[in-house]
Amino acid sequence: EPEVTQTPSHQVTQMGQEVILRCVPISNHLYFYWYRQILGQKVEFLVSFYNNEISEKSEIFDDQFSVERPDGSNFTLKIRSTKLEDSAMYFCASRTGGPFTDTQYFGPGTRLTVL
Amino acid sequence: AQSVAQPEDQVNVAEGNPLTVKCTYSVSGNPYLFWYVQYPNRGLQFLLKYITGDNLVKGSYGFEAEFNKSQTSFHLKKPSALVSDSALYFCAVSRHNTDKLIFGTGTRLQVFP
Repeated sequence: EPEVTQTPSHQVTQMGQEVILRCVPISNHLYFYWYRQILGQKVEFLVSFYNNEISEKSEIFDDQFSVERPDGSNFTLKIRSTKLEDSAMYFCASRTGGPFTDTQYFGPGTRLTVL
Repeated sequence: AQSVAQPEDQVNVAEGNPLTVKCTYSVSGNPYLFWYVQYPNRGLQFLLKYITGDNLVKGSYGFEAEFNKSQTSFHLKKPSALVSDSALYFCAVSRHNTDKLIFGTGTRLQVFP
């Protein structure tokens, strides 16, 4: 069964450094998402991406964040200058090109630790 | 604003007994409701969803959920719990003009042998 994959599983970085989190969505999916989960808190929506454009973003997704689909398979989240409060589990998700009711399938997550 | 409440941080149940994990929602318009499960060190796995139609939705691993519009609830149920069902369960909601999922805080289910 196709799965969303994410690399790395754990990333440790120093405050102020740039990080890139990588995701490979399910191959025939057209909508892509990033969510994050700060330890002990709820899963929060960051951004949705379709047709090489951001379709929706949350207040959390400020100028420090960017997303890109650099080729036909990868979907990346870049944090330009990490802060301590960016420490969280970051989940990538994808779905088909159907209606909003289509199921989003999540990857296993990347745990980001900012020191 | 949309929101989801999972009033119980943890639910404990003996193996073989029925289980219920509660979820209530607040959304303008018709809601789309989802349940996901998270096992340790794993991502979120889709269990089931309600979009429209029959209020009782059946999903993976023997789970089902009942949509109750008057009580704005979407409780997850299983007739007979297994130890392997022990995990973190998340309820989520979206609505017709967005596919952004709003998640609840999660409920940890512990099934004891």
